[in-house]
Amino acid sequence: GAVVSQHPSRVICKSGTSVKIECRSLDFQATTMFWYRQFPKQSLMLMATSNEGSKATYEQGVEKDKFLINHASLTLSTLTVTSAHPEDSSFYICSARESRYGEGEKLFFGSGTQLSVL
Amino acid sequence: GENVEQHPSTLSVQEGDSAVIKCTYSDSASNYFPWYKQELGKGPQLIIDIRSNVGEKKDQRIAVTLNKTAKHFSLHITETQPEDSAVYFCAASLHSGGGADGLTFGKGTHLIIQP
Repeated sequence: GAVVSQHPSRVICKSGTSVKIECRSLDFQATTMFWYRQFPKQSLMLMATSNEGSKATYEQGVEKDKFLINHASLTLSTLTVTSAHPEDSSFYICSARESRYGEGEKLFFGSGTQLSVL
Repeated sequence: GENVEQHPSTLSVQEGDSAVIKCTYSDSASNYFPWYKQELGKGPQLIIDIRSNVGEKKDQRIAVTLNKTAKHFSLHITETQPEDSAVYFCAASLHSGGGADGLTFGKGTHLIIQP
């Protein structure tokens, strides 16, 4: 399948600082990427849809000023957690839409970023 | 919006036996149903998917069935092996003219393969 690279895999930061997470599609172009959040032993919750060259679309309850998304190219989307607090600690995962296959589009996921805010 | 229910939350089977995980969805317009396998500390890995124009799809030991009328779909793993142990998520989405929307996931099934 297609490869989505997410970096960093783990980050520890102090409360009040900002953290940037990168999501790259390595062997395909992705006009749309998605950002999810996952708490321990729970399912993935969609946070926002990132569209190349336009503003992200946020799910209800997700603060757009808190979670800044930039999708400046067809292979890179970034999620910046601004003024992080301990409650922002979570596993963040990106996914990218890939339409190479003849039977339609598929979504592939990055390896995730474990954010711990002290 | 879409709501996906997944059962069971935990499934323990003997190595070599079959495992079945079931999901139901609420939005009859949904037409794409992937299954993901997630190992601890990693992102979900797409293992198989099915679209609403077919009722069954198989890939080696893994198969998925879809019943559009009843709005449920299932994952079947045969001849289970220890490396099949993981959390499995079903998902549903609507492929609009612009492409796949964000997926709605089930709550996951922790599959445990007993040696």
